[in-house]
Amino acid sequence: AQKITQTQPGMFVQEKEAVTLDCTYDTSDQSYGLFWYKQPSSGEMIFLIYQGSYDEQNATEGRYSLNFQKARKSANLVISASQLGDSAMYFCAMRVLSGGYNKLIFGAGTRLAVHP
Amino acid sequence: NAGVTQTPKFQVLKTGQSMTLQCAQDMNHEYMSWYRQDPGMGLRLIHYSVGAGITDQGEVPNGYNVSRSTTEDFPLRLLSAAPSQTSVYFCASSYGPTGEQYFGPGTRLTVT
Repeated sequence: AQKITQTQPGMFVQEKEAVTLDCTYDTSDQSYGLFWYKQPSSGEMIFLIYQGSYDEQNATEGRYSLNFQKARKSANLVISASQLGDSAMYFCAMRVLSGGYNKLIFGAGTRLAVHP
Repeated sequence: NAGVTQTPKFQVLKTGQSMTLQCAQDMNHEYMSWYRQDPGMGLRLIHYSVGAGITDQGEVPNGYNVSRSTTEDFPLRLLSAAPSQTSVYFCASSYGPTGEQYFGPGTRLTVT
């Protein structure tokens, strides 16, 4: 079964520290993609970072990096130098091709609180 | 570009009422989809479309209808609202099957 698991319902971190949000996935597809989205209290879904299953290097976008360990089926998000504005829900999602469509399967999310 | 727009932002319905959630995009994306987000959960796919005139069901299609008469618009119809459909609804679009999905701002629906 295709599934995303985020085992941390809530995390907190001190401002300026780094934090890792865990994500494991399950799929038998060889070609897939992994996304992280941020959902602030205002409710919109903000794309953060993407990793393709064939990408050999870990993706990075500014303060965000994705620690991709294919053999372990994990795709953890690392946020460096946390800021108060990073407080939000974070969702890991997996793109799978289903019936010719790019479908996203989401985890339950991790709520991150950044403390001053 | 406005990106993906959704109307209304908030809606309250009584059980049994019907309504249509509107979604439009101006990026000429072929692929569009509707997701629902329930409290404490990630998004789940309701219906999707791979182009004008072509739609298909996602994980949780029951109680919803869609149609795609133009590339720009992808409305979601609730046929007879039920309290179990209380949720936040997101519309998304992407350029191709593996492209990044752009999300609209969401519609918060409450069914009493």
